[in-house]
Parts: sequence; C-alpha cells; structure tokens
Amino acid sequence: NAGVTQTPKFRVLKTGQSMTLLCAQDMNHEYMYWYRQDPGMGLRLIHYSVGEGTTAKGEVPDGYNVSRLKKQNFLLGLESAAPSQTSVYFCASSYDGSFFYEQYFGPGTRLTVT
Amino acid sequence: AQSVTQLDSHVSVSEGTPVLLRCNYSSSYSPSLFWYVQHPNKGLQLLLKYTSAATLVKGINGFEAEFKKSETSFHLTKPSAHMSDAAEYFCVVSGGNNNDMRFGAGTRLTVKP
Repeated sequence: NAGVTQTPKFRVLKTGQSMTLLCAQDMNHEYMYWYRQDPGMGLRLIHYSVGEGTTAKGEVPDGYNVSRLKKQNFLLGLESAAPSQTSVYFCASSYDGSFFYEQYFGPGTRLTVT
Repeated sequence: AQSVTQLDSHVSVSEGTPVLLRCNYSSSYSPSLFWYVQHPNKGLQLLLKYTSAATLVKGINGFEAEFKKSETSFHLTKPSAHMSDAAEYFCVVSGGNNNDMRFGAGTRLTVKP
C-alpha cells in the first residue's frame, strides 16, 4: 500500500517549456487535489477532482491544467512554464468531499523554472 | 468563507520543555480542524483532527489540541518536546462543500538540545 505517489521528485524547466506531473493513489479515493507550496504561504489549491472524468478550479488555477482519466491518477500540466511557477507541488487525496475526512499527501515535486 | 491564522511563524523550545503552537480560524460553517506536520523535504502527515466530537483532541507523538469555539482557536500543545519534533506545522480549517481546506502559513518548530 504505497498511499499517494508523485512523479517526478525534482524537475528544472526553462521558461516556455511544458511538463506533466503525475499523481497516483492506491486507496480508491474519490477526491484528488493539487496544491502548490511557497515560502510563508502554506499550501494553496490549484485544481481538484471529485471523481473520474471531473475536474474543478481551486484558488490559484491560472497557468495549469489537469486531467483525471482514471480514478487512481491525477495529472497536472504546465503548458508554458513561467518563473512564477517555481514551487513545490503536492498531490493529495481523500475518501470523499466531506469536510471531516483528512487528506493524504504525496511526498511533493520540487519544480524550478529558469 | 474560511481562513486560518497561525500566530507564530517560528517557535524555538529546548528539548524536554512544553510546546505551544497557536492557531486561530474563521469559518462560516461548523468547521473541521486539522494539524499537519511536515518534516524537511517530506510530504504532510496528519497529526490530529477535530470534527465536532470531543473538544480536546489527542494525536500522534504526544500532541494534542483543544477546540475553543468562543475564542475561534485550535492551539497545538505537547508537554515535552523531543528533537524529532523539529518540523513545520500547519493548521488547516475545512468546511462546506468539496472538502475545501484552507491552510495556515505554517509554524517552524526548532528544538534545541
């Protein structure tokens, strides 16, 4: 039981390049989330998904796209990377959307855009 | 709407002394509240959660937190700090639809020998 895994762990991009971050969970959770973590700002929600085939915008969605083609996977895409997207990205999942269920987090992906 | 304020960005204690990490929240709902811990270069791990049951919540590694509605607070405490407690701690409020979680900015705990 691996929980939530993220690929890759580190990545360096040049401005304008694209990439996809992969998140996978093996807990059969319905909800999945992508956050970014910046110093002094806690975690901010980028996009989330309430089930296979569905996605929704979070607090800071601009410059990112997501897809949830399979229940266990949630992909985060950067079409044209910008230095402002330098951050640590965390994926999380939860059993459902009820607010009393905690979220389970992956180990993070450190992205640097030069 | 909901938000979280962690009152200290950095707390430093000596090993064996008590820990107090302060958190105030604002929520339009009857919220759930969580404390997560993040060790360096790691993901977030749940320490404890409050979901409208007992107001004093016990978590892992000897941590506990008390929900005080009148003060809109959810402070995290531990009687005796250990070196392994050095980490970043996040207070989180959740409520409403779609598990809308709002994170505080974090408190970095340093434990001195």
